[in-house]
Amino acid sequence: AQSVTQLGSHVSVSEGALVLLRCNYSSSVPPYLFWYVQYPNQGLQLLLKYTTGATLVKGINGFEAEFKKSETSFHLTKPSAHMSDAAEYFCAVSDRNNQGGKLIFGQGTELSVKP
Amino acid sequence: NAGVTQTPKFQVLKTGQSMTLQCAQDMNHEYMSWYRQDPGMGLRLIHYSVGAGITDQGEVPNGYNVSRSTTEDFPLRLLSAAPSQTSVYFCASSYLQGENTQYFGPGTRLTVL
Repeated sequence: AQSVTQLGSHVSVSEGALVLLRCNYSSSVPPYLFWYVQYPNQGLQLLLKYTTGATLVKGINGFEAEFKKSETSFHLTKPSAHMSDAAEYFCAVSDRNNQGGKLIFGQGTELSVKP
Repeated sequence: NAGVTQTPKFQVLKTGQSMTLQCAQDMNHEYMSWYRQDPGMGLRLIHYSVGAGITDQGEVPNGYNVSRSTTEDFPLRLLSAAPSQTSVYFCASSYLQGENTQYFGPGTRLTVL
């Protein structure tokens, strides 16, 4: 069965520093890959996704992620953190052969941004 | 276009009570699903549906029922609430084909005493 592992349940960075949130998946066939963000007391919002083509994917709010098949990874980065980036981030995968969007989520990483 | 809507936003139940969480979408999505979110566990799939009249179980279906009589609505029923069902519940929808980006509702925060 597919699984998603997010390394680090809590990550803390200073404002202006690099943000790196790690995600690894287990699947013999590369799945669709997603990053979602959840601000306090809100629903999930899609940050970016990888389906096919270019392996470096740009999303909203300056985030990007790179799909690395050899490492089964899809790490999320942002060059310079902003206070407004404080939220919980979820990596998720969806089997390309599935009908519909059944998602397998990682455990989530809570990002704190220090002034 | 309201997207995915959920009601209520908050609910407190006593053990043994039943209730229905409502979910509706206006994007004509074939696929709808329910997740529960618990600290440190991410989101786990409860039930899903690939179209009206078709439902199936996800990872954690026990204690929940669903039905899909229309494309727009996908209610989640708690038959006899238990404290273990205290959680935040999210409904999501997507198209059936393609890369299947799921759109999430704002969630229902349920407490079972």
